[in-house]
Amino acid sequence: AQKITQTQPGMFVQEKEAVTLDCTYDTSDPSYGLFWYKQPSSGEMIFLIYQGSYDQQNATEGRYSLNFQKARKSANLVISASQLGDSAMYFCAMREVTPTDSWGKLQFGAGTQVVVTP
Amino acid sequence: DAGVIQSPRHEVTEMGQEVTLRCKPISGHDYLFWYRQTMMRGLELLIYFNNNVPIDDSGMPEDRFSAKMPNASFSTLKIQPSEPRDSAVYFCASSLNRGTGDSPLHFGNGTRLTVT
Repeated sequence: AQKITQTQPGMFVQEKEAVTLDCTYDTSDPSYGLFWYKQPSSGEMIFLIYQGSYDQQNATEGRYSLNFQKARKSANLVISASQLGDSAMYFCAMREVTPTDSWGKLQFGAGTQVVVTP
Repeated sequence: DAGVIQSPRHEVTEMGQEVTLRCKPISGHDYLFWYRQTMMRGLELLIYFNNNVPIDDSGMPEDRFSAKMPNASFSTLKIQPSEPRDSAVYFCASSLNRGTGDSPLHFGNGTRLTVT
């Protein structure tokens, strides 16, 4: 079953505008972590931001912020003041506990392609 | 601080040949992951290790795939025999469990495998 859902396959955004990337997740575990990664056309995977399930405040890292709505099981990424260099694929991921490992397993959504236009 | 190092960056091989992908994790990290990325299936977790021990290999597609981690600084993913449908980008990633759950995965640059 799909655990992480990113419903927007692609988005265009104008430079200097904000963009919100949707992510919903499915888990019955009260303890989990949510991550966002960026993959530019060069292919590397770049960690952007983390939100823990028990965190009271939404995570922020520079121009990135996470709109965490626990009851709705959503963890949307907001990129403020978009720049041309923000053009990339963005992945949402969730870390869950497993019966054999209380920490490790991280699974990714399908990603959202963002294109920033001048 | 060197990141995760993968080799080779590109591999082109013929169907039926053995392929070995290599990974050196970040020093001190205790988790190592192998992912495969394709357009059709996205990022798939193949297998991961904790302290050199395989924890979950349920993502390994079939017996043609095997992974080892003989020590804390080296891991291999082997495909024998390779098939055209194995063509993908294979990522290795490592992480450190600090007990807080917020440690991200650090990815290598990937190996682009093409099987003809």
